[in-house]
Amino acid sequence: EAQVTQNPRYLITVTGKKLTVTCSQNMNHEYMSWYRQDPGLGLRQIYYSMNVEVTDKGDVPEGYKVSRKEKRNFPLILESPSPNQTSLYFCASSQQGSYNEQFFGPGTRLTVL
Amino acid sequence: AQTVTQSQPEMSVQEAETVTLSCTYDTSESDYYLFWYKQPPSRQMILVIRQEAYKQQNATENRFSVNFQKAAKSFSLKISDSQLGDAAMYFCAYNTPLVFGKGTRLSVIA
Repeated sequence: EAQVTQNPRYLITVTGKKLTVTCSQNMNHEYMSWYRQDPGLGLRQIYYSMNVEVTDKGDVPEGYKVSRKEKRNFPLILESPSPNQTSLYFCASSQQGSYNEQFFGPGTRLTVL
Repeated sequence: AQTVTQSQPEMSVQEAETVTLSCTYDTSESDYYLFWYKQPPSRQMILVIRQEAYKQQNATENRFSVNFQKAAKSFSLKISDSQLGDAAMYFCAYNTPLVFGKGTRLSVIA
């Protein structure tokens, strides 16, 4: 089944404790991206990747890191999480570019205490 | 920077009726793409419809259609014969880069 998977689905952590949210797709998509969703703000792009070893900042990259060492994986790293990073996070992938349909993962609910 | 505005935070519609969700965007580009995504209570993001700006014809997918007014930078979504399963958050999005509006929460009344 074609899908985007994210892990974990739910995470409660404390300020400053490094964490990684994994994202994997099995559709051989070139383009992958991360979004955060906050009430009243819609979805905002954190980082995106056009292909392996190519990443770029989105609208809200501060406090996040990403890497794209393999085509299928695009982990999101919070080196020192803070409470303002409490949010719902989505990973998405698409063929070639963001002008194609984005396939979204199920979301990760992160709470930073 | 490109912006996408959804002026209706919440809307409601009677089952079987028609509802239109509004979206405007701001861009200086001539070639771009527009999307409507649906997010039901399950939180899964689902593509509803996609419009290519260089195409004059409005996109249609079953009960969902758009009214694309390029000069006015308007991209509204019309849902015909509304069903209970249409209740969700709807996000308008512009590309490139991919920018989402803040969403419209649609309720369907039985």
